[in-house]
This record gives sequence, C-alpha cells and structure tokens, in this order.
Amino acid sequence: GAGVSQSPSNKVTEKGKDVELRCDPISGHTALYWYRQSLGQGLEFLIYFQGNSAPDKSGLPSDRFSAERTGGSVSTLTIQRTQQEDSAVYLCASSFALGGVTEAFFGQGTRLTVV
Amino acid sequence: GIQVEQSPPDLILQEGANSTLRCNFSDSVNNLQWFHQNPWGQLINLFYIPSGTKQNGRLSATTVATERYSLLYISSSQTTDSGVYFCIQDNQGGKLIFGQGTELSVKP
Repeated sequence: GAGVSQSPSNKVTEKGKDVELRCDPISGHTALYWYRQSLGQGLEFLIYFQGNSAPDKSGLPSDRFSAERTGGSVSTLTIQRTQQEDSAVYLCASSFALGGVTEAFFGQGTRLTVV
Repeated sequence: GIQVEQSPPDLILQEGANSTLRCNFSDSVNNLQWFHQNPWGQLINLFYIPSGTKQNGRLSATTVATERYSLLYISSSQTTDSGVYFCIQDNQGGKLIFGQGTELSVKP
C-alpha cells in the first residue's frame, strides 16, 4: 500500500477482554515495529520484526502482550485480559533497508481505551 | 545504549517566528530522521538526514555526523507547526531510538 495502515483507529474495550490490533506495513518493507504512547508520554518500544529473523520482544511489558507477523507482511498485536494501564496509542512502523538506508514510516496509530 | 537528547523540551513561538531544534547523540549517527507528531498523534516524516543538509519549504535540517548532532530549522512558523518534534535513529540492532521530543506551540 501507499503507507502503513493500522486498524482499528479507535478501540474501546472492557477491562479483562482481549483485543487485536492490526498493522499493514508498506509493501516490500522487511522490518516492522510496534510502539505505544501513553497520554503525554514518549514512545515505548514493544517489539521488532526483521525479515525471517526471530523477533525482538524485549519491550513487551508482560506476558499478556504478544505479536505475530504472518508471511512477512501483516502483523497483529494481541493484548489479553486488558487492564486500564494498557490504554494508549499503539503505533506501528515499517522500514526497508537498502544500500545502508533505513527510513521508517509510521501508521496513524490505534487509540486503545480500556474502561 | 545509544542516547538521543533533544533541546529545548518546550518552545512557545509567535506565528511568523523562526526556531531551531537540536538533537544530540551519544554514538555515531545511523539513519537519522526527524518527525512531527501532530495534535492528532500522527507521526509525519519530515527528513531522512544521516548527514548533510536538506530543505523542504519552510523546514530545513542539518546533520553533522562527526560532531553527533542534528538541527531542525523552522522558519516563518505557522500554528499548524504546533506539535511534538522527534529525532530518531536506529541502533543497528533494529530498535528506533527516540529523543524525548520538543513540544512546540505556535500562537496566532
């Protein structure tokens, strides 16, 4: 696609429910990143996928969080048993390294509200 | 790990004023980018600038890789320039390293 696409753009869920957030990266981009941003805060790294390599999951805050990337393209971030502190904007980015150049592009984000 | 420091943390301008935002790095510059996060939260690419100078309209950026800093210049600021400006580089291990951002408010 023309840009990184995330869905849904907004999600309100009840505490304890599971949610799935989707990211469609730019076609051909080998790297995909998930970040989250709580209100008034900076961006917090969650997980990074690069090609067929094992993902870097070092930023996932708890075992309630998981992510997968199917076929090296679309990624889904799953949060199980959501808590109010999970409320944030979840941002996805993708990039393609070519000739030493790695330029990342972000989606518009999914605003998650846990009530 | 790589540290990215941005200054100033906050900036208030009158419409029409010019400003310079700075980004310092603790290690060598890799794939440096400047982004603008608008009030709706979207991160918009401004410049990919690992070295040298680029200009796009009222905005320009310069990176001096040997001295580990980058500058973003905003001229004739407009209210639509308000938001948070981030500089980002990657740590060659895949993570994008963010500065803490400069929050810009342009008053009419």
